[in-house]
Amino acid sequence: AQSVTQLGSHVSVSEGALVLLRCNYSSSVPPYLFWYVQYPNQGLQLLLKYTTGATLVKGINGFEAEFKKSETSFHLTKPSAHMSDAAEYFCAVSRYGNNRLAFGKGNQVVVIP
Amino acid sequence: SQTIHQWPATLVQPVGSPLSLECTVEGTSNPNLYWYRQAAGRGLQLLFYSVGIGQISSEVPQNLSASRPQDRQFILSSKKLLLSDSGFYLCACLSGSYGYTFGSGTRLTVV
Repeated sequence: AQSVTQLGSHVSVSEGALVLLRCNYSSSVPPYLFWYVQYPNQGLQLLLKYTTGATLVKGINGFEAEFKKSETSFHLTKPSAHMSDAAEYFCAVSRYGNNRLAFGKGNQVVVIP
Repeated sequence: SQTIHQWPATLVQPVGSPLSLECTVEGTSNPNLYWYRQAAGRGLQLLFYSVGIGQISSEVPQNLSASRPQDRQFILSSKKLLLSDSGFYLCACLSGSYGYTFGSGTRLTVV
């Protein structure tokens, strides 16, 4: 079974500062990994995903994440936070042949002017 | 690309009343469809998923049921709502490369 851990339900970051959201997963087989963003009262939008190949994945809105198998991690970063980055972010994992995603509990990001 | 339509966007229902939330999908055929519930601080909980017409799998025992009467239609129902059924309900469709497309959600408040 897959599971995802996201620590710190609320994350505050100053505008222009680094955004770092941590995600650790457990999976018995090589995982597929995802980051989603959710704005208030909206559905989830895919930011980026890792399936195979290059372990550093670039997504939309300047975000990127690196798959580190040895650390079972898939942390999300953005060099410089913008006010529009205020949202909730979810990490998720699935595996090949499994059509279900397991989500972390999410990080609510607040950007301070 | 796939598009998911969910309605209504918000709903306030009294305890004990019935519920019907509908989700329809455009742009694909024979999709896998999912109902998630999101409660504050709890992330997304998978409630039901369906791999085809009439095929429903339930992830957790609860007061809700799901049906898939047509290929691109997925319905979430309850005969009698409980206070604990309040939450944000999201419909999702499994699209290519193991990514999900999500609907815009329904905010349900049971009073």
